[in-house]
Amino acid sequence: DVKVTQSSRYLVKRTGEKVFLECVQDMDHENMFWYRQDPGLGLRLIYFSYDVKMKEKGDIPEGYSVSREKKERFSLILESASTNQTSMYLCASSRSGTGIYNEQFFGPGTRLTVL
Amino acid sequence: SQKIEQNSEALNIQEGKTATLTCNYTNYSPAYLQWYRQDPGRGPVFLLLIRENEKEKRKERLKVTFDTTLKQSLFHITASQPADSATYLCALPGSSNTGKLIFGQGTTLQVKP
Repeated sequence: DVKVTQSSRYLVKRTGEKVFLECVQDMDHENMFWYRQDPGLGLRLIYFSYDVKMKEKGDIPEGYSVSREKKERFSLILESASTNQTSMYLCASSRSGTGIYNEQFFGPGTRLTVL
Repeated sequence: SQKIEQNSEALNIQEGKTATLTCNYTNYSPAYLQWYRQDPGRGPVFLLLIRENEKEKRKERLKVTFDTTLKQSLFHITASQPADSATYLCALPGSSNTGKLIFGQGTTLQVKP
């Protein structure tokens, strides 16, 4: 059974803290994604990685960075957490390649609250 | 820019009826379209993919249509059950062939017994 796991389901942090969200997939997928999901705004892409050490900004990268040192692991970093980063964070992975229709597999999500 | 629209209002139907959800898009000619289901507090789960040259796709009680002229996909659940209650998202590929998807905001379906 394919799986994407995220390090925490719930996380509470203080303003200004550095926050690490970890995501691991066991499907040997090339692509990995970080989204945030807020009521009324849907899923918004923060960052995308298409290979180890390769990354691409999504629609809302400000205030975030990412790291992909190994194929199976993709980390999202909030350098200095702010209250407007309180959200549900979702990690996903997919295969890549010509003719591949890129179904995404999602993790369970991390609900982050910044106080 | 590409835009995807799903009805933001919740859809309430009676058990046993057919639920129909709509996904409209503009400024775009996607090669395929996907539908996902999301339960509260969970990540989306892939349900179906339909390609641009397919008019209709079925999987058990689910049926998806894709009208590239109208720029619309319809998602049907026949003989709906309370367990079908969830939010349903449509997704289209990003403009570059990178594997990125653009998601609609989703429509919440509530099936009442």
